[in-house]
Amino acid sequence: EAQVTQNPRYLITVTGKKLTVTCSQNMNHEYMSWYRQDPGLGLRQIYYSMNVEVTDKGDVPEGYKVSRKEKRNFPLILESPSPNQTSLYFCASSTRQSADEQYFGPGTRLTVT
Amino acid sequence: RKEVEQDPGPFNVPEGATVAFNCTYSNSASQSFFWYRQDCRKEPKLLMSVYSSGNEDGRFTAQLNRASQYISLLIRDSKLSDSATYLCVVNTVTGGGNKLTFGTGTQLKVEL
Repeated sequence: EAQVTQNPRYLITVTGKKLTVTCSQNMNHEYMSWYRQDPGLGLRQIYYSMNVEVTDKGDVPEGYKVSRKEKRNFPLILESPSPNQTSLYFCASSTRQSADEQYFGPGTRLTVT
Repeated sequence: RKEVEQDPGPFNVPEGATVAFNCTYSNSASQSFFWYRQDCRKEPKLLMSVYSSGNEDGRFTAQLNRASQYISLLIRDSKLSDSATYLCVVNTVTGGGNKLTFGTGTQLKVEL
């Protein structure tokens, strides 16, 4: 089954404790991205990657890191999480940078206390 | 002004009603447009693309008005299962490639 998976689905952590949210897709997509969704603000892009070893900042990259060592994986790293990073995070992939082929993962609900 | 604006709703309508949502965008250079559906606490999923000539998929009709910079989604004979948040998505070509901008969504509640 073609899908995008994220882990963990739910995470409660404390300020400053490094964490990684994994994202994996099995559709051989070149393009992957991370979004956060907050009430009243909609989906905002954090980082994106157009292919292996190619990553770039989205609209709200501060406080986040990513890597793309393999085509299928695109982990999101929070080196020192803060409460303002409490949000719902979605990973997405597509064959090209086009919304009509965006496949989203199930989401990760992160709470930073 | 937000790049993509939608009325957040909620729109509460009876089953069988026809409901329409509008979305406005600020960048006249935007090239492609989409409606996504998002169920509560779930991931967004593509509902339909929006073409200049308008397009229809069953009970759903999407239209684009480039002159006024808005897109619309019409749902006829609404079902309980149509209850969801509908996201307007605009794709704009920039120096760094395509940029997708999501609206905050319009919530629809279909009631008996």
